[in-house]
Amino acid sequence: ETGVTQTPRHLVMGMTNKKSLKCEQHLGHNAMYWYKQSAKKPLELMFVYNFKEQTENNSVPSRFSPECPNSSHLFLHLHTLQPEDSALYLCASSQEEDSFLAKLANYGYTFGSGTRLTVV
Amino acid sequence: AQTVTQSQPEMSVQEAETVTLSCTYDTSESDYYLFWYKQPPSRQMILVIRQEAYKQQNATENRFSVNFQKAAKSFSLKISDSQLGDAAMYFCAFTYSGAGSYQLTFGKGTKLSVIP
Repeated sequence: ETGVTQTPRHLVMGMTNKKSLKCEQHLGHNAMYWYKQSAKKPLELMFVYNFKEQTENNSVPSRFSPECPNSSHLFLHLHTLQPEDSALYLCASSQEEDSFLAKLANYGYTFGSGTRLTVV
Repeated sequence: AQTVTQSQPEMSVQEAETVTLSCTYDTSESDYYLFWYKQPPSRQMILVIRQEAYKQQNATENRFSVNFQKAAKSFSLKISDSQLGDAAMYFCAFTYSGAGSYQLTFGKGTKLSVIP
């Protein structure tokens, strides 16, 4: 493990179920992200949390609901998903800095191993 | 909008040989960074190498090096002395100073197989 832990590793759910994905980091980072990785498509950024505040929501359907209770934990709540939502969901964390150069100098974009989600 | 294109869905290389993975990108930004990530079967994305756009010198990390052609907007990855552990998906990624919160734009990836 790299310091970003995702659970569960695999999840199968029906379209009417409610489930949650969990991400935890102990790297002292202050920004966390959810990415969706589908086959033969680029990784898609879903949500960004910076200092626990959501700063980005890239037109993600409301059936995906993120929650960031503190800077170490990030959840993705799932409700009435569709089969096309089946994918690998990756969490990442990083340390935000005031300047872009400082950000990249201390580059620390760390990924978890993902949750493989199958919607049936 | 920024785009990253990886035109090789799959590549293979003989063990101990050299392979080059291609990546092109499109941006109007002048201050940006490029990355290559490796995703082995364990699924964890691992940073392989990065290149600052303002640097003319190509980045190298042990057996991994890049050929950064800024005018052509090309950023290829060369893996020398390929090893079985290099087999993975490789993603090219891009970020720029106005992206905010380290947002990365990824290509679709290239699946690299290493033949013993």
